[in-house]
Amino acid sequence: RKEVEQDPGPFNVPEGATVAFNCTYSNSASQSFFWYRQDCRKEPKLLMSVYSSGNEDGRFTAQLNRASQYISLLIRDSKLSDSATYLCVVILPNSNSGYALNFGKGTSLLVTP
Amino acid sequence: SAVISQKPSRDICQRGTSLTIQCQVDSQVTMMFWYRQQPGQSLTLIATANQGSEATYESGFVIDKFPISRPNLTFSTLTVSNMSPEDSSIYLCSVLGQGNYGYTFGSGTRLTVV
Repeated sequence: RKEVEQDPGPFNVPEGATVAFNCTYSNSASQSFFWYRQDCRKEPKLLMSVYSSGNEDGRFTAQLNRASQYISLLIRDSKLSDSATYLCVVILPNSNSGYALNFGKGTSLLVTP
Repeated sequence: SAVISQKPSRDICQRGTSLTIQCQVDSQVTMMFWYRQQPGQSLTLIATANQGSEATYESGFVIDKFPISRPNLTFSTLTVSNMSPEDSSIYLCSVLGQGNYGYTFGSGTRLTVV
């Protein structure tokens, strides 16, 4: 079983729609969680951290469910510019560097006019 | 957050040759990380570059194939040695940011081996 699993999509939604992605992780020792955004042929960029209490940043809301070992990302009022791949990232203890980032393969979102 | 300058941004190389990728950070950082992202795949950690000591490699990656230098706290290089077409990938360096513990990535090196 992969450490971090995401539905690859693509999710095709019209402008203004609300869309949600889930990500599951297998290791209960996972410590920190992030959502990254990666545009085509670009590097990943941090979208938001995910806190146990849930957190919101404008149109974006992230939730963490430790009991079920999943995190979610909700995007409200989708914009064309939200079209990208959204990567779920989980930090695990690592014997080499002390901790390691584990990336999901990403969920593709396409927002259409 | 830290600003990373990575180069080259892309290269096309002959099999059997080597390519060195450079990352320069605008602030001092303890650890720098090197990742590979193969087409349609997630990012995979190659190694962690520590200043003043040998890099630590993840399972499946070895120093002979991916030698790393870390001469100071703002700079690192990754060499892809004796390349084959299977090494065609995007290579990214990364550092840990401040505050929210997010990681910042370089813009990536798109490598094609022919």
